[in-house]
Amino acid sequence: AQTVTQSQPEMSVQEAETVTLSCTYDTSESDYYLFWYKQPPSRQMILVIRQEAYKQQNATENRFSVNFQKAAKSFSLKISDSQLGDAAMYFCAYNTDKLIFGTGTRLQVFP
Amino acid sequence: NAGVTQTPKFQVLKTGQSMTLQCAQDMNHEYMSWYRQDPGMGLRLIHYSVGAGITDQGEVPNGYNVSRSTTEDFPLRLLSAAPSQTSVYFCASSYSSSPPGYEQYFGPGTRLTVT
Repeated sequence: AQTVTQSQPEMSVQEAETVTLSCTYDTSESDYYLFWYKQPPSRQMILVIRQEAYKQQNATENRFSVNFQKAAKSFSLKISDSQLGDAAMYFCAYNTDKLIFGTGTRLQVFP
Repeated sequence: NAGVTQTPKFQVLKTGQSMTLQCAQDMNHEYMSWYRQDPGMGLRLIHYSVGAGITDQGEVPNGYNVSRSTTEDFPLRLLSAAPSQTSVYFCASSYSSSPPGYEQYFGPGTRLTVT
């Protein structure tokens, strides 16, 4: 069965600094997609970034980028120039035919 | 577009009562799904549908029923509520399940408490 592990229940970062959230997954599939979703206190789930397993180039969306290591089954999220609005729960997720989530990392951003 | 809508936003049930959580989307999406979110456990898939008339079980289907008679609607039924079903429930939809890279759009959630 596919599993997604986020080993950091909580992280904190100073405003304008960089933080990296970790995610590992377990699968026997060769083609799949990986996602990072953000859930602010409003509870709304927001897609941050996605990566296709066949693409070697790491995905980037403005201040958000990933470090995708397929052989190691690792998919970390780097947030650069952190802003107060980045404070939220962040969920890593894996999809072949069903979207499977990790348990989440709560990110606090301090001024 | 309203996106994905869920009703109600909050609900309190007594043990043994039944109810239906409503979910609708106006984006003509093929794929719809239900998740529950519990503290420390992330989101877990309850049931999903790849199109009208087709449903399948996710990770935690026990105690829940679904049907998909139209593309737009995907209601979740609790047959006999139990305190273990206290949770926040999210409905989501995406254009298609294949390939699996399409973004899933989430509703605002329903907070359900079973006493």
